[in-house]
Amino acid sequence: QVQLVQSGAEVKKPGASVKVACKASGYTFTTYDITWVRQASGQGLEWMGWMNPDRGNTGYAQKFQGRVTLTRNTSISTAYMYLSSLRSEDTAVYYCARNGAGAAPDYWGQGTLVTVSS
Amino acid sequence: QSVLTQPPSASGTPGQRVTISCSGSSSNIGSKTVNWYRHLPGTAPSLLIYSNNQRPSGVPDRFSGSKSGTSASLAISGLQSEDEADYYCAAWDDGLNVLRYVFGTGTKVTVL
Repeated sequence: QVQLVQSGAEVKKPGASVKVACKASGYTFTTYDITWVRQASGQGLEWMGWMNPDRGNTGYAQKFQGRVTLTRNTSISTAYMYLSSLRSEDTAVYYCARNGAGAAPDYWGQGTLVTVSS
Repeated sequence: QSVLTQPPSASGTPGQRVTISCSGSSSNIGSKTVNWYRHLPGTAPSLLIYSNNQRPSGVPDRFSGSKSGTSASLAISGLQSEDEADYYCAAWDDGLNVLRYVFGTGTKVTVL
C-alpha cells in the first residue's frame, strides 16, 4: 500500500534551518510528483511547493521563494524539504503528499511538527 | 492569504444534507479541476473528491462534488457524527503564469 513516512519533530532557534524527510513506499517514487503543505496552529492549509522526483524540477510558492528547497534521493525513495532562516511564524506541521490522479495530492505523510523558538 | 473562499462554518443534524461552497476565479476553479479534503486536527488531510466530482476508492458516495464556472461545492448527505471535521477545497492556479496549488479558507462542519 502507498505510504509516505516523514521524519520526526524538530525544535529550532530563529535563524536556523530545518530539513524534513518524506520516505515513499508502495509505488514507484519517480512516477508521481511530491507536494509540500504546512499548517500553523489555528490556520488553514498552505501550499509550499512541488517537485518532480524523476527530473528534479521544482516549483515554489512565492511566499517561500529563496527560503525553501525541495530535493530528493531516488535511490532511497525519499523527498526532502529544506527551509532556512526560520522564524516563529514558521512553527507549523509540515506535510508531504503524492500528486495522484488529476494532479491532486492524494496520499499524505503523517506530518512533522517544526517548532521555532528561542 | 487563501485564494479560494469558503464559509467558515456549516452544520446539520444527523441524516441531513450539508453543502459547502468554494468560490475562486478564472485562473483556478474557472480553468482547473477542484479537489476536496477532510482534515481532523492532529491527522493528515484526506482526499475526498478529485477532478471536481471523482471519489477515490474507499470514500463513501455520501460525498459528492460539483463545479460551475468559478465556483464549486461539496455535498455531504446522510450526515454522520464522524463527519465533524474541517473541509478544504483546492485547485491548481496559473495566474500571472505562475503555477501554484491553492487551498480554500476551510469550513468547519459541526454535527448538531
